[in-house]
Amino acid sequence: EAGVAQSPRYKIIEKRQSVAFWCNPISGHATLYWYQQILGQGPKLLIQFQNNGVVDDSQLPKDRFSAERLKGVDSTLKIQPAKLEDSAVYLCASTNRGGLGYTFGSGTRLTVV
Amino acid sequence: GQQLNQSPQSMFIQEGEDVSMNCTSSSIFNTWLWYKQDPGEGPVLLIALYKAGELTSNGRLTAQFGITRKDSFLNISASIPSDVGIYFCAGMNYGGSQGNLIFGKGTKLSVKP
Repeated sequence: EAGVAQSPRYKIIEKRQSVAFWCNPISGHATLYWYQQILGQGPKLLIQFQNNGVVDDSQLPKDRFSAERLKGVDSTLKIQPAKLEDSAVYLCASTNRGGLGYTFGSGTRLTVV
Repeated sequence: GQQLNQSPQSMFIQEGEDVSMNCTSSSIFNTWLWYKQDPGEGPVLLIALYKAGELTSNGRLTAQFGITRKDSFLNISASIPSDVGIYFCAGMNYGGSQGNLIFGKGTKLSVKP
């Protein structure tokens, strides 16, 4: 079974620019998560989708972050405009067992300069 | 929000030694998970615990779900160089449409051959 695919692997942008990350979950996984992992910390949930609907976006900074999963498969996470403190690894995860059996992608490392 | 206290923050041990790390929470979880993260990769699940008091092994790894449901520990016996990495505990309250993970800050393990 193919894993969770994320792209790009690395991105360097200047503050105030915009950036987008892409995630392709494991085939058939209804639930998709985006996590932010700042250096030296554990991942923190940004948003959870169930199929193409948002289940939890309470920790998403909605003034600058947005995410969508239009067809219930792939998802994109966007930051506009980026701030220095957005430098982090953005991890996508998916599951088909109501929260169990998480599989994480390798992440996108964002550096904002 | 919920926070997990994971300790120690880092460990530097000799190959063959046993390792112990633990995690405590200010609130109750009904599932505890332990992950390992290698550089440049996403977290990989090591052990999942679903019942208070449960003791589960996976090879040289043993983890326990605390009776109070507010803590968990992970032991690694006879450490080897490939055990190097960052270990994260994560708590989850599985049920309904939820399933997002609350992570600790990680324990960085270094193993000297």
